[in-house]
Amino acid sequence: NAGVMQNPRHLVRRRGQEARLRCSPMKGHSHVYWYRQLPEEGLKFMVYLQKENIIDESGMPKERFSAEFPKEGPSILRIQQVVRGDSAAYFCASHGRDNSPLHFGNGTRLTVT
Amino acid sequence: QKEVEQNSGPLSVPEGAIASLNCTYSDRGSQSFFWYRQYSGKSPELIMFIYSNGDKEDGRFTAQLNKASQYVSLLIRDSQPSDSATYLCAVNALANQAGTALIFGKGTTLSVSS
Repeated sequence: NAGVMQNPRHLVRRRGQEARLRCSPMKGHSHVYWYRQLPEEGLKFMVYLQKENIIDESGMPKERFSAEFPKEGPSILRIQQVVRGDSAAYFCASHGRDNSPLHFGNGTRLTVT
Repeated sequence: QKEVEQNSGPLSVPEGAIASLNCTYSDRGSQSFFWYRQYSGKSPELIMFIYSNGDKEDGRFTAQLNKASQYVSLLIRDSQPSDSATYLCAVNALANQAGTALIFGKGTTLSVSS
């Protein structure tokens, strides 16, 4: 039973480019969360999605960031026109029923040069 | 603003000792509490979760919850060097009726010396 799969593991982008981060939840999980972790900082909630629906995007920056979880395929976190401050580890997590523990993917380390 | 507070550490204990990690949270309505372990450069790994007041034991780990004091702790007995990591406390915050989002503390770094 595969865990939460994220790719790529490492992503390097120049300022102004777009970054696309992909996440496939664990089999049977329909709740997907994206978190961002800056160096020496905790995990910051960004967005919570279920299939085809954004449930809570209160942690998402208002500009340049978007997320989707289509009916088919992985969840995508998209960052347009990246800036150096976007450099961080982005973790995806999933769970099945409400209040069950979150299981995290290995993360995508984004570096903006 | 819902907050989860942890001492950043580092907490240093000798091998074989008990490590005690503490966490407080601001939202009195929180219902689920989790401890994750994160090694440097790795993803968070679930260790324990607790929903009810009292103690919950799993091997060398014990989670303790006191909702009246808004306090949750993690005890690690017989600490090993391999326990050296950052421990993240997480508390659920009801985003809306449909789901939940975990709020994380910044973590406590534990160092176990051999």
